[in-house]
Amino acid sequence: GAGVSQSPRYKVAKRGQDVALRCDPISGHVSLFWYQQALGQGPEFLTYFQNEAQLDKSGLPSDRFFAERPEGSVSTLKIQRTQQEDSAVYLCASSFFTGHLNTEAFFGQGTRLTVV
Amino acid sequence: AQSVSQHNHHVILSEAASLELGCNYSYGGTVNLFWYVQYPGQHLQLLLKYFSGDPLVKGIKGFEAEFIKSKFSFNLRKPSVQWSDTAEYFCAVNPSGGYNKLIFGAGTRLAVHP
Repeated sequence: GAGVSQSPRYKVAKRGQDVALRCDPISGHVSLFWYQQALGQGPEFLTYFQNEAQLDKSGLPSDRFFAERPEGSVSTLKIQRTQQEDSAVYLCASSFFTGHLNTEAFFGQGTRLTVV
Repeated sequence: AQSVSQHNHHVILSEAASLELGCNYSYGGTVNLFWYVQYPGQHLQLLLKYFSGDPLVKGIKGFEAEFIKSKFSFNLRKPSVQWSDTAEYFCAVNPSGGYNKLIFGAGTRLAVHP
């Protein structure tokens, strides 16, 4: 009965370093989302997967951000050459996709990335 | 562009006071509406949601919200707050008809004093 699991919980990166953030969605959930939450703000959409297909990456802020979900379960968000403005909490959410009905998204606890 | 506005960033109440948190959205079509809560140190959890039907929606822990289509609003209410309601509250909108991508407001931080 595990929820959405994210690792690591905290990551400190030196500017210019590459980082990889992992998300384990709830088993059987087809839809997977990544959000970025800056300090004092609400989460902002980054990208969406339906199984292994990345159907929407309109929220990725630059080509330094890359997400994948190769087997339709675990997903990784990679940030290359991190910058200070990348400091934020990165949230993963998953939901059971019904095709035409919107269902609840379950969120992980997030990874807090600090770029120094 | 679609957006969600939460009117209050910080709210401080005493226990037993009534709560109303404002949420307005800008989107002309049909929407699904949500309130999420984040307790200190925990993940975002769904409080309540509106997809269709009765515009007065009841959620967990005594919370309710009213969808007023003409005002593009979905305000959250609770008649009597408790210290355990101290948390950050996020309103979110999803344009219906597709996958459930959420557009969040900036959040309201609620502190309830005993």
